[in-house]
Amino acid sequence: NTVMTQSPTSMFTSVGDRVTMSCKASQNVGINVGWYQQKTGQSPKRLIYWASNRDTGVPDRFTGSGSGTDFTLTISNMQAEDPAIYYCLQHNSYPPWTFGGGTKLELK
Amino acid sequence: EVQLVESGGGLVKPGSSLKLSCVASGFTFSSYGMHWIRQAPKKGLEWIALIYYDSSNKYYADSVKGRFTISRDNSKNTLYLEMNSLRSEDTAMYYCAKATTVALWGQGTLVTVSS
Repeated sequence: NTVMTQSPTSMFTSVGDRVTMSCKASQNVGINVGWYQQKTGQSPKRLIYWASNRDTGVPDRFTGSGSGTDFTLTISNMQAEDPAIYYCLQHNSYPPWTFGGGTKLELK
Repeated sequence: EVQLVESGGGLVKPGSSLKLSCVASGFTFSSYGMHWIRQAPKKGLEWIALIYYDSSNKYYADSVKGRFTISRDNSKNTLYLEMNSLRSEDTAMYYCAKATTVALWGQGTLVTVSS
């Protein structure tokens, strides 16, 4: 199975900051990675597909990058509505589809 | 509006069965593979099953293989998850999700397995 390892596990940031979080795959998954945002009490929402494509309606401050085994989600200008848990998912080698453990993003 | 709405969750005793449903709207349901994904309380996301658009292939996580069955009725735009021999560790929010790329999620239905 492909293991997806996210780091950091949690982080504190301030409005206006640039935020970067990582997702590393245990084997090459190409660009078959998505990023999801889950706010408290809500279901996950996909932000990024195929590693770097923004879903419709997602603000352009969210950027995905990477290929192979190393992937990054960047929030260029942290906003008050962005605190959430962010998950990566690989859909290259399945089953199973595998999620990272999540990065919890909070405001200071 | 593209939407997935789950139902059928509840409180059940260990060893019992439950059947979840997910009704799709706003897109051509019969053209997409569909997943069930769960999230235990305060935990991360766990993929548990996928069914192809035409039911030709089904995949399961090892944790549910042999106990859970995924199915669909394209005439009713509905996805199902039949859960048997439920255990306390199956307690979770259960989400259905659209497409092999997991593009869209429903709001979830809560399953609690407890004596």
